[in-house]
Amino acid sequence: AQKITQTQPGMFVQEKEAVTLDCTYDTSDPSYGLFWYKQPSSGEMIFLIYQGSYDQQNATEGRYSLNFQKARKSANLVISASQLGDSAMYFCAMSLFDRGSTLGRLYFGRGTQLTVWP
Amino acid sequence: DAGVTQSPTHLIKTRGQQVTLRCSPKSGHDTVSWYQQALGQGPQFIFQYYEEEERQRGNFPDRFSGHQFPNYSSELNVNALLLGDSALYLCASSLEGHPYEQYFGPGTRLTVT
Repeated sequence: AQKITQTQPGMFVQEKEAVTLDCTYDTSDPSYGLFWYKQPSSGEMIFLIYQGSYDQQNATEGRYSLNFQKARKSANLVISASQLGDSAMYFCAMSLFDRGSTLGRLYFGRGTQLTVWP
Repeated sequence: DAGVTQSPTHLIKTRGQQVTLRCSPKSGHDTVSWYQQALGQGPQFIFQYYEEEERQRGNFPDRFSGHQFPNYSSELNVNALLLGDSALYLCASSLEGHPYEQYFGPGTRLTVT
């Protein structure tokens, strides 16, 4: 069974500092993708970053980077230079790419509430 | 470039009633997935539509049904509403063959009283 675990219900960071949000995953499939989404209080799920299981380098998108450690099955999100607008719920998700029966389906963790303070 | 849109934004229904939620995918996308997000939880996969057919389904009862139209837009129908159906319903769209690009709409917040 596929599972995403986010062990930090809440995280606090001061503005302009970096923060790491933890995510571990469990799957026996060799081909998969890992996603991070941001969900502000408005509810919309905003795509941040993607990492494929065969990608050799860690993904980066602006202030977001994904620390992918395949052997440890972890995919932590690093936000550099935090901003007040980064305060939101953050979800880690996984999708399997080899199983036609579940292609494109996202498995989500329970999320981490990030609060950025001035 | 229009993103994923959903309607209505909010909805209040009574137990036992039926509800229909609507989703228009991002321009160029042909696959639509629906998720239910209960308060304080991560989204749970309901089902996915491609080529006007339900391609895969999560662990949801038959009270949850859907439809996809030729223009790729989709509807989610829930019959015999229960209090536990109160949630944020999210629609995600993608392009067949590109499952790593999944974009979500703003969601419909359903309250069942």
